[in-house]
Amino acid sequence: AQSVAQPEDQVNVAEGNPLTVKCTYSVSGNPYLFWYVQYPNRGLQFLLKYITGDNLVKGSYGFEAEFNKSQTSFHLKKPSALVSDSALYFCAVLVTGAGSYQLTFGKGTKLSVIP
Amino acid sequence: ETGVTQSPTHLIKTRGQQVTLRCSSQSGHNTVSWYQQALGQGPQFIFQYYREEENGRGNFPPRFSGLQFPNYSSELNVNALELDDSALYLCASSYVGNIQYFGAGTRLSVL
Repeated sequence: AQSVAQPEDQVNVAEGNPLTVKCTYSVSGNPYLFWYVQYPNRGLQFLLKYITGDNLVKGSYGFEAEFNKSQTSFHLKKPSALVSDSALYFCAVLVTGAGSYQLTFGKGTKLSVIP
Repeated sequence: ETGVTQSPTHLIKTRGQQVTLRCSSQSGHNTVSWYQQALGQGPQFIFQYYREEENGRGNFPPRFSGLQFPNYSSELNVNALELDDSALYLCASSYVGNIQYFGAGTRLSVL
C-alpha cells in the first residue's frame, strides 16, 4: 500500500532560522508527492508537488522540498522561517487505481515559529 | 484562496439523523473528491466523482454516499449519523488527476 509518514508531531523553530518538516514515503513505482498547509479553521492549501525531474522542488511562500529516492524522503524546507508560517503541514502521496486519483496523507506536523 | 466553496461551514446533528454537505468546484475542474478529517488526524479519502460517476472509494460504509451534477458541483450524504462521524469534511476539485484544490470544509458535530 502507498503511504507517507511524518515522524514529528511538532517542530519548533525560531523566527529567521531555517526550518525542515520531515516526510518519508513508501510506494511502488514512481511517487507523486505533495505538501499542503492547513491554518486553523481552514481547508488545505497546496504548497508544492514532485512528479518527476529535479529533486529540489520550489513552491509557494518560499517553501521548497527535497526529493531523495535513496532515503525515500520528501522533506519540506524554508531558508528563513516567519511567525506566519506557524500552521499544520501535511505530506501526501497520490494513489491511482481503477480510474481514481486519491491523496493519502500523513498525520501532519504542527510547526510553531517562535518570535 | 481556491475557487472551491463548501456549505454549510458548521453543522450540528444528532445521532441517527441524515446530513447533506455541498461543494462547488473550481472553474475548469471536472473531478471532485471528498475527505474526512477527524480531530488531530490527516484527511482520509471518502470517494471521488468524475463525470457524475463514483470512480473510487475509500474505506467508508455505504451510508456515506454522494452525487456529482452536470456543472461538476457535488454533494456528500451521510445517513444514520454516528458520534464518530464528527469531523471536518473537505471537498477538493481537480482536473482529473492534477493538483487537488481544497475548500475550507464543513465542520460536522454529531451529538
